[in-house]
Amino acid sequence: GAGVSQTPSNKVTEKGKYVELRCDPISGHTALYWYRQSLGQGPEFLIYFQGTGAADDSGLPNDRFFAVRPEGSVSTLKIQRTERGDSAVYLCASSLLGGAGEQYFGPGTRLTVT
Amino acid sequence: DQQVKQNSPSLSVQEGRISILNCDYTNSMFDYFLWYKKYPAEGPTFLISISSIKDKNEDGRFTVFLNKSAKHLSLHIVPSQPGDSAVYFCAGNGAGSYQLTFGKGTKLSVIP
Repeated sequence: GAGVSQTPSNKVTEKGKYVELRCDPISGHTALYWYRQSLGQGPEFLIYFQGTGAADDSGLPNDRFFAVRPEGSVSTLKIQRTERGDSAVYLCASSLLGGAGEQYFGPGTRLTVT
Repeated sequence: DQQVKQNSPSLSVQEGRISILNCDYTNSMFDYFLWYKKYPAEGPTFLISISSIKDKNEDGRFTVFLNKSAKHLSLHIVPSQPGDSAVYFCAGNGAGSYQLTFGKGTKLSVIP
């Protein structure tokens, strides 16, 4: 079956611009997660959705970052007024239910802010 | 403060030998641990997990050992194969928190 997909695979934007990153989770998975991976680091948690609602957004670095999942499936991570420090790989993961257990990752979107 | 530490950035092993990747954690609330494998330009792929009520879990060539008193876990790969060459991440998850906390990863190179 299809895994987690993310679009675009690469995004280059200028400092100050707005970007949207999309995630399509595995069909039927109710839990969706966003992580960010900087060079030489492991993925760092950003936000977790259970269904349509953000159950935990404690990892979002500041109010320039926002994510939605309006119909409980596809999610969009939105970054306003991008900064060079936002450059990273943004990973999306999904799982059948929330809680302890495996999360299945997409290939990521590499964001470069120039 | 890093809650999950992988102190070896890289490891080289001869094909056919055992690979041992180590991970230490500081958060005693973690009750579930996972290992992920990552190839370049791909997302992390789930490999094996272990609950804190166990001290060992085995799946084919992969075995994870958990020592709760030492807050240490290890991943053993036997025998190692060239296709195992990748970055391996250890992650912890705990007590009602759904986020995974990852280490920085260990790059394994299996030499033919």
